[in-house]
Amino acid sequence: NAGVTQTPKFQVLKTGQSMTLQCAQDMNHNSMYWYRQDPGMGLRLIYYSASEGTTDKGEVPNGYNVSRLNKREFSLRLESAAPSQTSVYFCAGSRDFYSNQPQHFGDGTRLSIL
Amino acid sequence: AQRVTQPEKLLSVFKGAPVELKCNYSYSGSPELFWYVQYSRQRLQLLLRHISRESIKGFTADLNKGETSFHLKKPFAQEEDSAMYYCALQANNLFFGTGTRLTVIP
Repeated sequence: NAGVTQTPKFQVLKTGQSMTLQCAQDMNHNSMYWYRQDPGMGLRLIYYSASEGTTDKGEVPNGYNVSRLNKREFSLRLESAAPSQTSVYFCAGSRDFYSNQPQHFGDGTRLSIL
Repeated sequence: AQRVTQPEKLLSVFKGAPVELKCNYSYSGSPELFWYVQYSRQRLQLLLRHISRESIKGFTADLNKGETSFHLKKPFAQEEDSAMYYCALQANNLFFGTGTRLTVIP
């Protein structure tokens, strides 16, 4: 099992560009999550999907959109990247529905916005 | 507002010594607390949750509502315990502390 897989691992964007961060899991997770981690701060929840077909805003959703394409995949989209979105992004999942308790995380995507 | 505080960014202990990683929280509701761990070159993972009252890899954590704390403890540290530890509070969403890097010195 690959677990939770994020692509890409690194990306540099210019301000205003758009991109989608991909996340796929093979752990039969029902809930999936996107977090960002900034220096000196804990992980902050951007969006989550408590079950297939549903998505909800987390603590810091502005500037992002998500898609729960199917049970396995949960993507995060930056429509118009801003330097404030420079961060490390983590996807996570859990088998529980609606639990908000991620069990397994991906390796992270390091994103820099110039 | 909810908050999780891990006052120590770095903590070093000798192998075999007791270890305590501190976590304090503020939350007006009934708290659910967790510890996550990230070992070197591995992914972040859930270590334990207070509601389970479990011991994982020799670690325990007791919720003290009076002191609003959820410290992680282990009586005898091992080298393989060296890792980054995050305390987290569930309050609608899951709020993470900034983490403590534990180094166990051989």
